[in-house]
Amino acid sequence: GQQVMQIPQYQHVQEGEDFTTYCNSSTTLSNIQWYKQRPGGHPVFLIQLVKSGEVKKQKRLTFQFGEAKKNSSLHITATQTTDVGTYFCAGRKAKGNKLVFGAGTILRVKS
Amino acid sequence: KAGVTQTPRYLIKTRGQQVTLSCSPISGHRSVSWYQQTPGQGLQFLFEYFSETQRNKGNFPGRFSGRQFSNSRSEMNVSTLELGDSALYLCASSLYPGTGYEWTGELFFGEGSRLTVL
Repeated sequence: GQQVMQIPQYQHVQEGEDFTTYCNSSTTLSNIQWYKQRPGGHPVFLIQLVKSGEVKKQKRLTFQFGEAKKNSSLHITATQTTDVGTYFCAGRKAKGNKLVFGAGTILRVKS
Repeated sequence: KAGVTQTPRYLIKTRGQQVTLSCSPISGHRSVSWYQQTPGQGLQFLFEYFSETQRNKGNFPGRFSGRQFSNSRSEMNVSTLELGDSALYLCASSLYPGTGYEWTGELFFGEGSRLTVL
């Protein structure tokens, strides 16, 4: 079945350092989404990427969708303590298909 | 606009019992998905409902079932509970593609129902 792998599982950075999490799918995706879950909270949608090679930015966050539409990455520049949480990628094989989540990357930021 | 509401928020059951969890989606959202979240396993997809019909199903045993009502509210049921069913059960509502709305695919999650099986 469809699988979405995400690495690293855990990352601990010093405030001000950059952070990247990577997502790989076993199948070509129609689109990929990213969510953030704060400790004790619920996942909150960050962005959806649809086009091959697409790059989107949200302030210090940069999201990329691979050319083959099988991988994606989220890069945070100059992390802040407010970035703490778990970042999940999630992909669909096609519109209307189930959204399959990766296992998430836990980000901890030392101030 | 009210968010996704899940009840109960916390519950404790013993092995062999059954449990029913409820989810009220955001007004106007007709698609409801359920996920199981456990430490290290991420979010595992259970099922998705739209217009009272199950549209997608995950790889869970038949003990896990769900339904959706005409007002889009959804329930999920787990029968013959096992210790491994202890988890946070998250419900998410969304617009469904092809319904005439601009579809972003975004899921809006509730706070979850935390189930502990003893």
